[in-house]
Amino acid sequence: GAGVSQSPSNKVTEKGKDVELRCDPISGHTALYWYRQSLGQGLEFLIYFQGNSAPDKSGLPSDRFSAERTGGSVSTLTIQRTQQEDSAVYLCASSLEGQGIATNEKLFFGSGTQLSVL
Amino acid sequence: GDSVTQMEGPVTLSEEAFLTINCTYTATGYPSLFWYVQYPGEGLQLLLKATKADDKGSNKGFEATYRKETTSFHLEKGSVQVSDSAVYFCALSHFSGGYNKLIFGAGTRLAVHP
Repeated sequence: GAGVSQSPSNKVTEKGKDVELRCDPISGHTALYWYRQSLGQGLEFLIYFQGNSAPDKSGLPSDRFSAERTGGSVSTLTIQRTQQEDSAVYLCASSLEGQGIATNEKLFFGSGTQLSVL
Repeated sequence: GDSVTQMEGPVTLSEEAFLTINCTYTATGYPSLFWYVQYPGEGLQLLLKATKADDKGSNKGFEATYRKETTSFHLEKGSVQVSDSAVYFCALSHFSGGYNKLIFGAGTRLAVHP
C-alpha cells in the first residue's frame, strides 16, 4: 500500500486475554519500529526490526510482550494476559533502512491501534 | 539516558496568534532533532528537522532552531490557523546498537479557535 497500515484500528479486550496487533510497513522498507503512546506520556520505544537481523527488543516492558516479523515485511505485536496498564495507542513505523533517519531518511508512521483493556 | 522534555499542553490560541512550543533535550553526542505532528485521526508525520547545531528547520510556516548552548529546539509559527490544531511531538535521534531510533517527548496538544 501507499503507507504504513495497522489493524485493527481499535481493540477492546478483557483483562487477562491475549491480543495481536498487526503492522504492514511500506513495501521495500527494511526497518520497522513499534512504539507505544500512553495517555500523557511520550512515545515509548518497544522494538526494532532491521531486515533479517536479530531485533532490538530492549524496549519491551515485560515478557508478556513479544513481536515477530515474517518474511521481512508484516509484523505482529502480541500482548499476553493483558493488563489495564497496557491500554494505549500502539504505533508502527517503517523506514527504508533505519540507519539514515537522523539525516536524510524519513520515518513513516501508521495511524495506530487503540487498545483498551477493561 | 537521552530524553526530551516538552511544555505541557493543551495550548489554546486564537487564529493568527503567535505560537511557541518549548522543547529541551538531554543527549550524549550530537543528535538530530525533529518535530512531528499528529493531526486528528492520522499517523505522526515529520514536520521539520535539524541535523546539526544552529540549523533551522522549517515547513508550512513552522520553524525551529537547533540551539546546542541551551539544548533547545523550540517550535514557532508566526500566525496559526485552525488547521494547525494537532498534537506536536519533539524528538531526537539516538544511535545505539548500530541503528537510529527516535526518542520522543510527551507531546503538546494545540487547539486553535477561529
